[in-house]
Amino acid sequence: AQSVTQLGSHVSVSEGALVLLRCNYSSSVPPYLFWYVQYPNQGLQLLLKYTSAATLVKGINGFEAEFKKSETSFHLTKPSAHMSDAAEYFCAVRSRGGSNYKLTFGKGTLLTVNP
Amino acid sequence: GAVVSQHPSWVICKSGTSVKIECRSLDFQATTMFWYRQFPKQSLMLMATSNEGSKATYEQGVEKDKFLINHASLTLSTLTVTSAHPEDSSFYICSARDPVSGRAFNEQFFGPGTRLTVL
Repeated sequence: AQSVTQLGSHVSVSEGALVLLRCNYSSSVPPYLFWYVQYPNQGLQLLLKYTSAATLVKGINGFEAEFKKSETSFHLTKPSAHMSDAAEYFCAVRSRGGSNYKLTFGKGTLLTVNP
Repeated sequence: GAVVSQHPSWVICKSGTSVKIECRSLDFQATTMFWYRQFPKQSLMLMATSNEGSKATYEQGVEKDKFLINHASLTLSTLTVTSAHPEDSSFYICSARDPVSGRAFNEQFFGPGTRLTVL
């Protein structure tokens, strides 16, 4: 069974500072990996995804994530936080191949951005 | 593109009544839709996978007779919470995938969610 661990349920940064949200996965084979953002009372919006090839994935709103197989990690970063980045962030994993398209989500990390 | 809508966005009902939530893919055909529930400050938990024209597959611990799912067309899936109780109050989110489009092959597109409050 695959699982996702997000270290830190709450991360607080100053505006303009580096954002680092951590995600580690557990899977027998490298899975597909996703980062989603959720604003209050809204659904999830895909930030970026890792499916194959390039291990450094660039997403929307200046976010990027690097897939590191040796560390089983897929941490999300942004060089400079903006107030509008304040939201809940979820890392998710999905198995490769077959017909199982289910996503398994981490518990989420709440990002607050201080002025 | 790849827009998923949900209706209603919020609903309040009395205990014992049934509530239907709709999930629609607006610009693509979704042969598979997923239903999640999210409790406050918690992650999304998959309830069931809905396949067009067939019975839904429920996750362990989810009562299929309580949470009725119908996926009658390629653009619409419905979740009916039957005999709702206060503990069913939650944020219900659907997602959809399009296995035909390469763009969406590995993605699920999420609806905006429905807030259910059972009094």
